Amino acid sequence: ELKVEQNPLFLSMQEGKNYTIYCNYSTTSDRLYWYRQDPGKSLESLFVLLSNGAVKQEGRLMASLDTKARLSTLHITAAVHDLSATYFCAPGGGATNKLIFGTGTLLAVQP
Amino acid sequence: DTEVTQTPKHLVMGMTNKKSLKCEQHMGHRAMYWYKQKAKKPPELMFVYSYEKLSINESVPSRFSPECPNSSLLNLHLHALQPEDSALYLCASSRPGQGAKQPQHFGDGTRLSIL
Repeated sequence: ELKVEQNPLFLSMQEGKNYTIYCNYSTTSDRLYWYRQDPGKSLESLFVLLSNGAVKQEGRLMASLDTKARLSTLHITAAVHDLSATYFCAPGGGATNKLIFGTGTLLAVQP
Repeated sequence: DTEVTQTPKHLVMGMTNKKSLKCEQHMGHRAMYWYKQKAKKPPELMFVYSYEKLSINESVPSRFSPECPNSSLLNLHLHALQPEDSALYLCASSRPGQGAKQPQHFGDGTRLSIL
């Protein structure tokens, strides 16, 4: 059974700082997604990573995928308060695109 | 505004009640999903419909009964629920098939409380 672990589970960081969230998964997957969830809200798709070595960037967030290491990273550059949320990674696969969500990382950016 | 619409937004029901959650999308997606999310936990997959047929049931108790009457609509019928079933229920949709690796689009969810 696919297991997905993220670390850290909780991240408190100051505005302007950089940090990386790690997502490790236990079995082969040909795609990986990153989602953001604000408190009490739904999930918003951030990135879709479809191949080994894929790198995607949007604003202060950059995601990468190493399928051989079964590792994805979400790098935050010069954090701002608006980035405070919970971030989930989710490897997917199969014709139904079944997702298994990681444990989640709660990010709190302090002014 | 999300492109996947869920109703109701909130639902409080007793353990003997029967109710239904509704999910609708008009993006032409032919895969639809139900997830359950407890507080401070990740979403857990419950059911997957592909081309209106149930393709995955993640060993969900029979008190949850999904239905996909057409390609735009997904229901979740609830009966004799337990207090531990209180959670946020999320619906999502996407394009199925190996060639379609687009992300799932999520609705805003129904927050369910069982008394």
